[in-house]
Formats: sequence, C-alpha cells, structure tokens
Amino acid sequence: NAGVTQTPKFQVLKTGQSMTLQCAQDMNHEYMSWYRQDPGMGLRLIHYSVGAGITDQGEVPNGYNVSRSTTEDFPLRLLSAAPSQTSVYFCASSDWSSSYNEQFFGPGTRLTVL
Amino acid sequence: GQQLNQSPQSMFIQEGEDVSMNCTSSSIFNTWLWYKQDPGEGPVLLIALYKAGELTSNGRLTAQFGITRKDSFLNISASIPSDVGIYFCAGFTGTASKLTFGTGTRLQVTL
Repeated sequence: NAGVTQTPKFQVLKTGQSMTLQCAQDMNHEYMSWYRQDPGMGLRLIHYSVGAGITDQGEVPNGYNVSRSTTEDFPLRLLSAAPSQTSVYFCASSDWSSSYNEQFFGPGTRLTVL
Repeated sequence: GQQLNQSPQSMFIQEGEDVSMNCTSSSIFNTWLWYKQDPGEGPVLLIALYKAGELTSNGRLTAQFGITRKDSFLNISASIPSDVGIYFCAGFTGTASKLTFGTGTRLQVTL
C-alpha cells in the first residue's frame, strides 16, 4: 500500500491564481481530511469527509473548496489564492474501526503564494 | 474553538535522558492521541488513548489519558537522537468527527 499520497510536494502561486491540491489513499478509508500547518499553530482542520459525496467544514474553511466523488480521492481547491494561504497542507485518512481517530497523514504540500 | 495547550514548547536534552511533556484543554475529549512529526514529513501516530486514566506504552514511549479527560501526558525514556522532532497531542470529541491539535513540543537531543 502507498498509504496517503499528495501532489505536488511544492507549489508557488501568484495572488489570484487557482489550483488543486491532490490527495489519494489506497486503504479504503471512509474518512479523509485536509489540514494546514502554520508555524506555532499546530495543524488546523480545513475540510473533512466521512464518505463519498459527503463533505463538511472544519475550523478554517474559508477560501477552500473540496469534493469527494470517490472513496480514494479528496482534492482541495483554492479558487483565488491569497498570501494568507501560504502554508504546508496535509491530507489524512482513517476508517471507522478506530472511530476515525487514528488518522494517517500524507507527506504534505508546501504552498507559497506571492 | 477548542484549544489544546502543549508544554513545554521546546526541549533540549542529552541523549539518555527521560522526557516529559503534557497537553491540557479547556474541554473534555473522548480520545487523546500523540503524533510525532519529522522535518519535511507528515505526522505519524505514536499512541492512542481511549479511556480516562488509561496508561499505554509503545516501546520507550508511555502516554496517559488524564482522569479529568482534559489532559494527557507523554513520557519518553532513555532518549536517542532519532527522537528529535515535533510531538503533537490531539483530542477527538467524537460527535463532530474532528481532531483538534496542540501547538507542538519541539524536541532536540544532543549527544
């Protein structure tokens, strides 16, 4: 199993550009989530999904969209990038056997918005 | 929103020493988890705690779920250089299907 994979690993955008961060998992996990990590602030939940076709907002959802058309994929879209979205983004997944608690994280995408 | 306070923020210790760190919350959690993050990598789950008072070990790591359900502790015995990294606590309420993370404890180990 590859686990949780994220692409790209690094990305530089200009203010106002749009892009999609990709996340995929091959563990058949129902639950997937996106976090952003900023210095001194830990990880903050952006959006999450408990299954295909179901998404919900986390702590910091503004400026981001998600969709979950398949169990495996959970892309994160930035419609109009802003410098405040410069961060490291992590995707994670888990399954119901651990009540979604034990989340497996991908390697992250480091995004810089100029 | 809920906040988790981790202390200390950073630690510099010598190889072989024991390490203690803790996490406190203003809210009750049903589950406490401890993660470790190496530079340039995603967090990796170390220990999960599911019951108040529970004490769980994973090799040289021992974690406890506080009786009040508002705190948790992580101890590392006989530290080694590969223990270097950032340790995060995380709490899960269950009802909202959301993990709340602490701000992390950065551990440095000197030879």
